[in-house]
Amino acid sequence: QKEVEQNSGPLSVPEGAIASLNCTYSDRVSQSFFWYRQYSGKSPELIMSIYSNGDKEDGRFTAQLNKASQYVSLLIRDSQPSDSATYLCAATTTGTYKYIFGTGTRLKVLA
Amino acid sequence: GAVVSQHPSRVICKSGTSVKIECRSLDFQATTMFWYRQFPKQSLMLMATSNEGSKATYEQGVEKDKFLINHASLTLSTLTVTSAHPEDSSFYICSARGQDRASGANVLTFGAGSRLTVL
Repeated sequence: QKEVEQNSGPLSVPEGAIASLNCTYSDRVSQSFFWYRQYSGKSPELIMSIYSNGDKEDGRFTAQLNKASQYVSLLIRDSQPSDSATYLCAATTTGTYKYIFGTGTRLKVLA
Repeated sequence: GAVVSQHPSRVICKSGTSVKIECRSLDFQATTMFWYRQFPKQSLMLMATSNEGSKATYEQGVEKDKFLINHASLTLSTLTVTSAHPEDSSFYICSARGQDRASGANVLTFGAGSRLTVL
């Protein structure tokens, strides 16, 4: 199993809908998780970090962490065409500061 | 919040030449910086961890003699691609751990990236 896994997509949702992005992880990564957004040709930018079980909300974004099932998700409410990008899930490896990235999920929000 | 500056953003060079990419932490000190490479439609692949004042730690499969990393100060790390070849053409991105303004947590912040094209 890869350390961080994501479905590559593309995930298409209509404008205004909720986009749900999922990520699973292995035991080799620690309990710090991050969601980054990457537009084509640009470097990633941090959307949210989550460290504890449960939900964390920031504006239209909600990160959910379930340690028992080893998954972390990102919900985007009221999706906008400008949200169309690749969303990268990342986790730090146990005992180090190295960030391991999933392959990313490409999101398309249709106007 | 943490800002990482990377230069140049684009570089085109001839095969066999060397290219240097700079990464600077602008408003914080970074004892550790990370260098990633990303091929089209693929994820970020960690190349090496750059440690201030000591040798870089390279990931498996990354040639340390080809990708020279120097971290001479707490705000500057450089990546030199030596004797570049077309297969080295890629998007190179540096990053550093800095404090996120919103949460106060230390998070990974990326430079804007450098697109290298080797002819």
